[in-house]
Amino acid sequence: DAGVTQSPTHLIKTRGQQVTLRCSPKSGHDTVSWYQQALGQGPQFIFQYYEEEERQRGNFPDRFSGHQFPNYSSELNVNALLLGDSALYLCASSPIAGGPSQYFGPGTRLTVT
Amino acid sequence: TQLLEQSPQFLSIQEGENLTVYCNSSSVFSSLQWYRQEPGEGPVLLVTVVTGGEVKKLKRLTFQFGDARKDSSLHITAAQPGDTGLYLCAAENRDDKIIFGKGTRLHILP
Repeated sequence: DAGVTQSPTHLIKTRGQQVTLRCSPKSGHDTVSWYQQALGQGPQFIFQYYEEEERQRGNFPDRFSGHQFPNYSSELNVNALLLGDSALYLCASSPIAGGPSQYFGPGTRLTVT
Repeated sequence: TQLLEQSPQFLSIQEGENLTVYCNSSSVFSSLQWYRQEPGEGPVLLVTVVTGGEVKKLKRLTFQFGDARKDSSLHITAAQPGDTGLYLCAAENRDDKIIFGKGTRLHILP
């Protein structure tokens, strides 16, 4: 049973560019959440997708957008990258919308130069 | 703003010693989760506690949820180098969003 997978593993982008990160949830999970984890910090909630809709959103600007596909996989898009967007981006899936227990992928390490 | 405060921030102890780390808040939560995260990897769920006063054991790890459901502790008995990692607590806030503490970075010296 595959767990949560994310791609790519690492990414280097330049300020002002756009990036798309991808996530496949654990089998049987239909809810996907995205988090940003800066160095030395805990994960910060970006948004959550359920039934292809953004269900909840954290305190992140509109430059951060996402999408969920019918197979429950998800993408995180960040436009107009800033140096401060450098972080580990984590995807988590859960079996029931709003359920507290989540299963995380290994993350995508984004470096903005 | 609902916050989860974790203490200590850093802890370095010898193999075989016991330790306790804490997760505190002024808010009441319906449930609380503990995760362990190793460098370059995503957090791994260790336990979810739901009932005030609940105690759960996972081998040498003992998790307790405070009676008032505002705080939690994680106790490790006879720590081993494999316990090294970042321990994060998380809970659902009143807006049903998951919030995380900043974590306790634990290093077990062989």
